[in-house]
Amino acid sequence: AQSVTQLGSHVSVSEGALVLLRCNYSSSVPPYLFWYVQYPNQGLQLLLKYTTGATLVKGINGFEAEFKKSETSFHLTKPSAHMSDAAEYFCAVSESSNDMRFGAGTRLTVKP
Amino acid sequence: EAQVTQNPRYLITVTGKKLTVTCSQNMNHEYMSWYRQDPGLGLRQIYYSMNVEVTDKGDVPEGYKVSRKEKRNFPLILESPSPNQTSLYFCASDLAGGWGEQFFGPGTRLTVL
Repeated sequence: AQSVTQLGSHVSVSEGALVLLRCNYSSSVPPYLFWYVQYPNQGLQLLLKYTTGATLVKGINGFEAEFKKSETSFHLTKPSAHMSDAAEYFCAVSESSNDMRFGAGTRLTVKP
Repeated sequence: EAQVTQNPRYLITVTGKKLTVTCSQNMNHEYMSWYRQDPGLGLRQIYYSMNVEVTDKGDVPEGYKVSRKEKRNFPLILESPSPNQTSLYFCASDLAGGWGEQFFGPGTRLTVL
Protein backbone atom coordinates (compact mmCIF):
# COMPACT_ATOMS: atom_id res chain seq x y z
CA ALA A 1 0.00 0.00 0.00
CA GLN A 2 1.11 3.52 -0.66
CA SER A 3 2.40 5.80 2.06
CA VAL A 4 3.61 9.34 2.55
CA THR A 5 6.42 10.75 4.66
CA GLN A 6 6.64 14.45 5.34
CA LEU A 7 10.08 15.44 6.54
CA GLY A 8 9.84 17.93 9.36
CA SER A 9 6.74 18.38 11.48
CA HIS A 10 7.57 22.07 11.91
CA VAL A 11 9.22 24.47 9.49
CA SER A 12 9.93 28.10 10.27
CA VAL A 13 10.91 30.70 7.68
CA SER A 14 11.22 34.46 7.59
CA GLU A 15 8.81 36.54 5.56
CA GLY A 16 10.14 36.78 2.02
CA ALA A 17 12.25 33.63 2.30
CA LEU A 18 11.90 30.48 0.25
CA VAL A 19 9.41 27.93 1.50
CA LEU A 20 10.35 24.27 1.01
CA LEU A 21 8.16 21.52 2.46
CA ARG A 22 9.33 18.00 1.79
CA CYS A 23 7.22 15.01 0.86
CA ASN A 24 8.34 11.53 -0.12
CA TYR A 25 5.97 8.77 -1.09
CA SER A 26 5.96 5.09 -1.78
CA SER A 27 3.68 3.60 -4.38
CA SER A 28 3.60 0.47 -6.48
CA VAL A 29 1.89 2.21 -9.40
CA PRO A 30 2.02 5.73 -10.85
CA PRO A 31 0.37 7.74 -8.12
CA TYR A 32 -1.78 10.80 -7.93
CA LEU A 33 -0.16 13.30 -5.56
CA PHE A 34 -1.73 16.18 -3.68
CA TRP A 35 -0.87 19.02 -1.35
CA TYR A 36 -3.56 20.34 0.97
CA VAL A 37 -3.42 23.33 3.30
CA GLN A 38 -5.23 23.71 6.61
CA TYR A 39 -5.59 27.17 8.09
CA PRO A 40 -6.42 27.47 11.79
CA ASN A 41 -9.91 26.26 12.65
CA GLN A 42 -10.69 25.30 9.08
CA GLY A 43 -10.91 22.18 6.98
CA LEU A 44 -8.32 21.18 4.42
CA GLN A 45 -8.33 22.76 0.99
CA LEU A 46 -6.50 21.66 -2.10
CA LEU A 47 -3.35 23.59 -3.02
CA LEU A 48 -2.35 21.56 -6.07
CA LYS A 49 -2.35 18.07 -7.50
CA TYR A 50 -0.35 15.93 -9.89
CA THR A 51 -2.08 13.27 -11.96
CA THR A 52 -0.23 12.84 -15.25
CA GLY A 53 1.71 14.97 -17.69
CA ALA A 54 3.87 17.94 -16.72
CA THR A 55 5.84 17.17 -13.59
CA LEU A 56 5.94 20.77 -12.35
CA VAL A 57 2.55 21.62 -10.99
CA LYS A 58 1.42 25.12 -10.10
CA GLY A 59 -1.18 25.70 -7.46
CA ILE A 60 -2.93 28.49 -5.68
CA ASN A 61 -1.26 31.29 -3.71
CA GLY A 62 2.03 31.00 -5.61
CA PHE A 63 2.85 27.46 -4.53
CA GLU A 64 4.23 24.81 -6.83
CA ALA A 65 5.46 21.24 -6.55
CA GLU A 66 7.56 19.00 -8.72
CA PHE A 67 6.97 15.29 -9.17
CA LYS A 68 10.30 13.48 -9.25
CA LYS A 69 9.74 9.82 -9.92
CA SER A 70 13.39 8.84 -9.50
CA GLU A 71 13.45 10.39 -6.03
CA THR A 72 9.83 9.45 -5.17
CA SER A 73 9.37 13.02 -4.04
CA PHE A 74 6.78 15.76 -4.39
CA HIS A 75 8.22 18.73 -2.53
CA LEU A 76 6.19 21.92 -2.18
CA THR A 77 7.86 25.28 -2.75
CA LYS A 78 7.08 28.97 -2.79
CA PRO A 79 9.72 31.56 -3.68
CA SER A 80 8.72 34.16 -1.11
CA ALA A 81 6.80 33.44 2.09
CA HIS A 82 3.98 35.67 3.27
CA MET A 83 2.61 35.87 6.78
CA SER A 84 -0.67 34.52 5.43
CA ASP A 85 1.06 31.25 4.44
CA ALA A 86 1.29 30.18 8.08
CA ALA A 87 -0.74 26.98 8.24
CA GLU A 88 -0.42 23.21 8.32
CA TYR A 89 0.35 21.48 5.05
CA PHE A 90 -0.48 17.89 4.18
CA CYS A 91 0.91 15.80 1.37
CA ALA A 92 -1.30 12.96 0.12
CA VAL A 93 -0.96 10.07 -2.33
CA SER A 94 -3.61 8.02 -4.07
CA GLU A 95 -3.25 4.90 -6.18
CA SER A 96 -6.89 4.20 -6.86
CA SER A 97 -10.42 5.03 -5.93
CA ASN A 98 -10.84 5.64 -2.21
CA ASP A 99 -7.24 4.95 -1.41
CA MET A 100 -5.87 8.34 -0.44
CA ARG A 101 -3.19 8.40 2.23
CA PHE A 102 -2.19 11.57 4.04
CA GLY A 103 1.11 12.45 5.59
CA ALA A 104 1.38 13.54 9.20
CA GLY A 105 1.51 17.21 8.24
CA THR A 106 4.05 20.05 8.43
CA ARG A 107 3.27 23.17 10.37
CA LEU A 108 4.70 26.26 8.66
CA THR A 109 5.50 29.31 10.75
CA VAL A 110 6.38 32.61 9.05
CA LYS A 111 8.39 35.10 11.08
CA PRO A 112 8.14 38.83 10.39
CA GLU B 1 -21.75 28.33 -2.57
CA ALA B 2 -20.32 24.84 -2.90
CA GLN B 3 -19.58 23.52 0.55
CA VAL B 4 -19.49 20.73 3.06
CA THR B 5 -21.10 21.54 6.39
CA GLN B 6 -20.70 19.75 9.72
CA ASN B 7 -22.55 20.10 12.97
CA PRO B 8 -21.76 20.60 15.72
CA ARG B 9 -18.39 22.31 15.40
CA TYR B 10 -17.52 21.66 19.02
CA LEU B 11 -18.84 19.01 21.37
CA ILE B 12 -17.95 17.95 24.89
CA THR B 13 -19.64 14.79 26.10
CA VAL B 14 -19.22 11.97 28.58
CA THR B 15 -18.29 8.36 28.10
CA GLY B 16 -21.13 6.22 26.83
CA LYS B 17 -23.52 8.96 25.75
CA LYS B 18 -24.53 8.36 22.13
CA LEU B 19 -23.90 11.20 19.72
CA THR B 20 -24.23 12.02 16.04
CA VAL B 21 -22.16 14.40 13.98
CA THR B 22 -23.96 15.49 10.84
CA CYS B 23 -22.36 16.12 7.46
CA SER B 24 -24.00 17.55 4.38
CA GLN B 25 -22.68 18.53 0.94
CA ASN B 26 -24.40 20.53 -1.77
CA MET B 27 -22.20 19.53 -4.73
CA ASN B 28 -24.03 16.35 -5.72
CA HIS B 29 -20.91 14.31 -5.01
CA GLU B 30 -21.35 10.57 -4.86
CA TYR B 31 -18.32 9.91 -2.68
CA MET B 32 -18.17 10.97 0.96
CA SER B 33 -15.76 10.12 3.74
CA TRP B 34 -15.05 10.67 7.43
CA TYR B 35 -11.58 11.26 8.83
CA ARG B 36 -10.16 11.86 12.25
CA GLN B 37 -7.12 14.05 12.75
CA ASP B 38 -4.76 13.48 15.65
CA PRO B 39 -1.44 15.25 16.30
CA GLY B 40 1.46 13.56 14.54
CA LEU B 41 -0.80 11.09 12.75
CA GLY B 42 -2.31 13.20 9.99
CA LEU B 43 -5.75 12.21 8.76
CA ARG B 44 -6.99 8.67 9.10
CA GLN B 45 -10.09 7.46 7.34
CA ILE B 46 -12.93 6.13 9.49
CA TYR B 47 -15.63 5.22 6.96
CA TYR B 48 -16.44 6.08 3.40
CA SER B 49 -19.37 5.87 1.04
CA MET B 50 -19.16 5.47 -2.72
CA ASN B 51 -22.86 6.20 -3.17
CA VAL B 52 -26.25 6.08 -1.48
CA GLU B 53 -26.68 2.94 0.63
CA VAL B 54 -23.05 1.93 -0.03
CA THR B 55 -20.68 2.35 2.90
CA ASP B 56 -17.47 0.64 3.93
CA LYS B 57 -14.83 0.71 6.62
CA GLY B 58 -11.72 2.81 6.41
CA ASP B 59 -8.57 2.38 8.46
CA VAL B 60 -9.98 3.12 11.93
CA PRO B 61 -13.70 2.16 11.99
CA GLU B 62 -13.92 0.69 15.51
CA GLY B 63 -16.45 2.49 17.67
CA TYR B 64 -18.12 4.34 14.79
CA LYS B 65 -21.13 3.85 12.56
CA VAL B 66 -22.33 5.70 9.48
CA SER B 67 -25.34 5.74 7.21
CA ARG B 68 -25.98 7.08 3.71
CA LYS B 69 -29.68 7.30 3.06
CA GLU B 70 -29.43 10.37 0.83
CA LYS B 71 -26.65 11.51 -1.45
CA ARG B 72 -26.10 14.80 0.36
CA ASN B 73 -25.93 13.52 3.97
CA PHE B 74 -23.44 11.24 5.68
CA PRO B 75 -23.78 11.29 9.49
CA LEU B 76 -21.17 9.83 11.83
CA ILE B 77 -22.55 8.01 14.86
CA LEU B 78 -20.72 7.18 18.07
CA GLU B 79 -22.95 4.71 19.91
CA SER B 80 -20.87 4.65 23.09
CA PRO B 81 -18.10 7.23 22.95
CA SER B 82 -14.88 6.65 24.84
CA PRO B 83 -12.04 9.06 25.70
CA ASN B 84 -9.83 7.64 22.94
CA GLN B 85 -12.33 9.04 20.45
CA THR B 86 -11.44 12.56 21.52
CA SER B 87 -10.26 14.04 18.25
CA LEU B 88 -10.88 16.45 15.40
CA TYR B 89 -13.24 14.99 12.82
CA PHE B 90 -13.59 15.96 9.19
CA CYS B 91 -16.16 15.04 6.62
CA ALA B 92 -15.18 15.23 2.95
CA SER B 93 -16.78 14.72 -0.44
CA ASP B 94 -15.33 14.07 -3.86
CA LEU B 95 -16.62 13.98 -7.40
CA ALA B 96 -14.09 11.38 -8.53
CA GLY B 97 -14.69 8.42 -6.27
CA GLY B 98 -12.21 9.36 -3.60
CA TRP B 99 -9.07 10.05 -5.54
CA GLY B 100 -9.74 13.45 -6.94
CA GLU B 101 -9.97 16.76 -5.16
CA GLN B 102 -11.65 16.23 -1.82
CA PHE B 103 -13.74 19.03 -0.34
CA PHE B 104 -13.58 19.17 3.42
CA GLY B 105 -15.98 20.40 6.03
CA PRO B 106 -14.77 22.80 8.75
CA GLY B 107 -14.26 20.06 11.31
CA THR B 108 -15.86 18.94 14.56
CA ARG B 109 -13.75 18.99 17.69
CA LEU B 110 -15.00 16.26 20.00
CA THR B 111 -13.96 15.80 23.62
CA VAL B 112 -15.09 12.69 25.48
CA LEU B 113 -14.66 12.88 29.25
